[in-house]
Amino acid sequence: DTAVSQTPKYLVTQMGNDKSIKCEQNLGHDTMYWYKQDSKKFLKIMFSYNNKELIINETVPNRFSPKSPDKAHLNLHINSLELGDSAVYFCASSRLGASDTQYFGPGTRLTVL
Amino acid sequence: KNEVEQSPQNLTAQEGEFITINCSYSVGISALHWLQQHPGGGIVSLFMLSSGKKKHGRLIATINIQEKHSSLHITASHPRDSAVYICAVYFGNEKLTFGTGTRLTIIP
Repeated sequence: DTAVSQTPKYLVTQMGNDKSIKCEQNLGHDTMYWYKQDSKKFLKIMFSYNNKELIINETVPNRFSPKSPDKAHLNLHINSLELGDSAVYFCASSRLGASDTQYFGPGTRLTVL
Repeated sequence: KNEVEQSPQNLTAQEGEFITINCSYSVGISALHWLQQHPGGGIVSLFMLSSGKKKHGRLIATINIQEKHSSLHITASHPRDSAVYICAVYFGNEKLTFGTGTRLTIIP
């Protein structure tokens, strides 16, 4: 019955590898987001999608590529991982957009060695 | 420039105390959110407001649009309120801008 789910919860990998994080929401929301939380707990928007269309791409390196196969899913693929990519990545969704209440996934802690 | 500032950064209080966390922003906004991040890492939305005041249990959120300021209050604080509280502002640009968070610790 989880509203917003992410997999995996933890991801440990070597520099240079390619990895993906999956996100699914069962709330029927139109808008989905990816956020990055750094080691100081500061949250920042990376991408937002509305009905499978990219709305926000917040100056994220093009090694990060979001994909939304349908409005319930928003996956994040990261190529050529770097040490600085280590962070917690949160997926979220909202019904109407960024002014509306957002529901967060549990987060994926990515550690790049 | 769209900016959000929170204070204090850290707050330690005794159980039962009245808690206030502040959020200020630089320009006019459409909506402001208060989020709670548990020690385990999960993030929960507490309030979304665009004017006035909202209350849920022991939590109260207020916003003063003219002064560009919002406060989150916790009455009769309890150790389970220990968390990071994050203010997030919608400036009308399709995204949230986050404050740096306030780490609250309630001591029994």
